[in-house]
Amino acid sequence: DAMVIQNPRYQVTQFGKPVTLSCSQTLNHNVMYWYQQKSSQAPKLLFHYYDKDFNNEADTPDNFQSRRPNTSFCFLDIRSPGLGDAAMYLCATSKAGPIETQYFGPGTRLLVL
Amino acid sequence: AQSVTQLGSHVSVSEGALVLLRCNYSSSVPPYLFWYVQYPNQGLQLLLKYTSAATLVKGINGFEAEFKKSETSFHLTKPSAHMSDAAEYFCAVSGNAGNNRKLIWGLGTSLAVNP
Repeated sequence: DAMVIQNPRYQVTQFGKPVTLSCSQTLNHNVMYWYQQKSSQAPKLLFHYYDKDFNNEADTPDNFQSRRPNTSFCFLDIRSPGLGDAAMYLCATSKAGPIETQYFGPGTRLLVL
Repeated sequence: AQSVTQLGSHVSVSEGALVLLRCNYSSSVPPYLFWYVQYPNQGLQLLLKYTSAATLVKGINGFEAEFKKSETSFHLTKPSAHMSDAAEYFCAVSGNAGNNRKLIWGLGTSLAVNP
């Protein structure tokens, strides 16, 4: 089945230690998104790619970076995680067009010690 | 500008009872509307979407929603709740061009189903 895959499902890191979360997709969608979701809140868009074009949200901290080496893969790098970065990180994909339905991966829950 | 309001952050129903989760939207462009469900420690799963075709939209797991332009609403319903429906439900709106294509999310409604 075509899907969005996120690895790992759970990630523990130390305060200030860089961490990378990964997302891959077999849907062949050209748009990929990264969201941060804290407990009992709606997802918050961090950035997204239209093909290779990177779009950063204005309020995304500089501590968060992203890479998309090819259509299938996208990475979220947190350069110096703080306690406030503990959250669920969701990757989503869509096919660019008038109606862009987003399909989500299972998420990676990040714990910062 | 677009916005979504979900009335009721917590809804509790008995198993077998009607489920009604409310969503009102505001949009300066013709909206596309979505309902997603999220089970604990999982990603979001698309339940259904309105894309300007039929106003009554049927989704997965027996859910449906009706787009009412006059009421700016897109409420989610299910005739008979099942224990497995207990989850967080998010309503979202988007437009069809430029920055409007991003999803604007409601705050979510947590559905509890009592035996």
